[in-house]
Amino acid sequence: RKEVEQDPGPFNVPEGATVAFNCTYSNSASQSFFWYRQDCRKEPKLLMSVYSSGNEDGRFTAQLNRASQYISLLIRDSKLSDSATYLCVVNRTSGTYKYIFGTGTRLKVLA
Amino acid sequence: GAGVSQSPSNKVTEKGKDVELRCDPISGHTALYWYRQSLGQGLEFLIYFQGNSAPDKSGLPSDRFSAERTGGSVSTLTIQRTQQEDSAVYLCASSLFLAIEQFFGPGTRLTVL
Repeated sequence: RKEVEQDPGPFNVPEGATVAFNCTYSNSASQSFFWYRQDCRKEPKLLMSVYSSGNEDGRFTAQLNRASQYISLLIRDSKLSDSATYLCVVNRTSGTYKYIFGTGTRLKVLA
Repeated sequence: GAGVSQSPSNKVTEKGKDVELRCDPISGHTALYWYRQSLGQGLEFLIYFQGNSAPDKSGLPSDRFSAERTGGSVSTLTIQRTQQEDSAVYLCASSLFLAIEQFFGPGTRLTVL
C-alpha cells in the first residue's frame, strides 16, 4: 500500500461544476499537508497548504481529517484553466523529514 | 523575486557518462530538495538538505548518485556512469524551513541514450 494514495482519475467535469478530490495517508506521524497542481510537462506549483481547521482560497477549499487520515480538495465553479493534475503531498517527521507525493488526480474541465 | 532555477534545462548524454545538475534555490531558503519524475509517474524523493547537511540519503537510487550543497545555497546532483533508466526530469525545490511549503524549479530533463 502506498503511503499517500489518490484516485488517479481522470475526472472530466463541465465548466462551472464542483469537483472534490480525496487523498489518504497511512503514516500517523505526518505533520503537514499540501495540495499542488502540475500542468503537463511543467513543475508542480503550490496550490494551498492544508490546515487542521480547514482553509479556503477563492474557489478552492481544503480540509484535513487527522482521525481518518485523509485530506480533501474542493473546487467550485470549475474553469477550463483548472485542468491539471492535482498532487496531494504529506510531510512526515520520523527522525528525518520527508515529503511524500501522491501520484496525482487528473482533472479535465470541459467547455 | 527570483524563483528556484535549475540548469541545464535539458541534458542528453550517452550511457556511462557522468552528469552534473545544478539548482539555485530561492534566496534565504534553508531547505533544498531533489526529486525525480519519470514520464507519467509521480515524484520520487531523492534527498534533502538542511543548510549544507543532508541528514537522509536513503532516497538516492544507487551509489552512482550523489549530491552536495555549498554555502547554504547552490546544490549539485551528480550521476556517475549514467544508465538509460536514469532518464527522467530532475526537479529541485526549496523552502524557507523544513516541513513547510516547497517551491519548485522548472526541472532538468535528462535523457540517457
